[in-house]
Amino acid sequence: AQSVSQHNHHVILSEAASLELGCNYSYGGTVNLFWYVQYPGQHLQLLLKYFSGDPLVKGIKGFEAEFIKSKFSFNLRKPSVQWSDTAEYFCAVRDNNNDMRFGAGTRLTVKP
Amino acid sequence: NAGVTQTPKFQVLKTGQSMTLQCAQDMNHEYMSWYRQDPGMGLRLIHYSVGAGITDQGEVPNGYNVSRSTTEDFPLRLLSAAPSQTSVYFCASSPYLNSPLHFGNGTRLTVT
Repeated sequence: AQSVSQHNHHVILSEAASLELGCNYSYGGTVNLFWYVQYPGQHLQLLLKYFSGDPLVKGIKGFEAEFIKSKFSFNLRKPSVQWSDTAEYFCAVRDNNNDMRFGAGTRLTVKP
Repeated sequence: NAGVTQTPKFQVLKTGQSMTLQCAQDMNHEYMSWYRQDPGMGLRLIHYSVGAGITDQGEVPNGYNVSRSTTEDFPLRLLSAAPSQTSVYFCASSPYLNSPLHFGNGTRLTVT
């Protein structure tokens, strides 16, 4: 079975700092890629997804992610974070056997 | 539009007790699934269903049963609760197998 790795367990940033959260997966075939966000006390919500086409995808709230096939990566970025971005972020990968795996999550704390 | 509804929100069980976690969606989604979320491990798939009458095992199915008698409902049964099943459980649905998931608000289960 494939695996999904998120390199950072906890990231602490000040407001207006730039964000990049890493995500790598192990499956070598065709994949669908997702980033979900979980705000404190809430359920997971979709931030953005990649199925095919332009490897740079834009999501809600100013987030974007870049799919680099050669690196098996799908890193999440935001140029300038806000206090309201404090949340846990999960990368998820679905392979062509429809096996969907989530990373362990990265907790982001943004200091005002 | 309620989306994905999970009940109860909180539950405490004693070892050996059984219970059912309820999940209902009103979006006519074919695909439904159950995940458990544990610190440092992200979300792990327990069971899923691609339509009424069809269920299959995910990554961590042991100790759990599911059934899908209608499109709307996908209950998760704990047959004999164990402390290792202490977790937060999320139900999710999507229109079809490879589309983004819609999550419920979760059930926090503690087994003593």
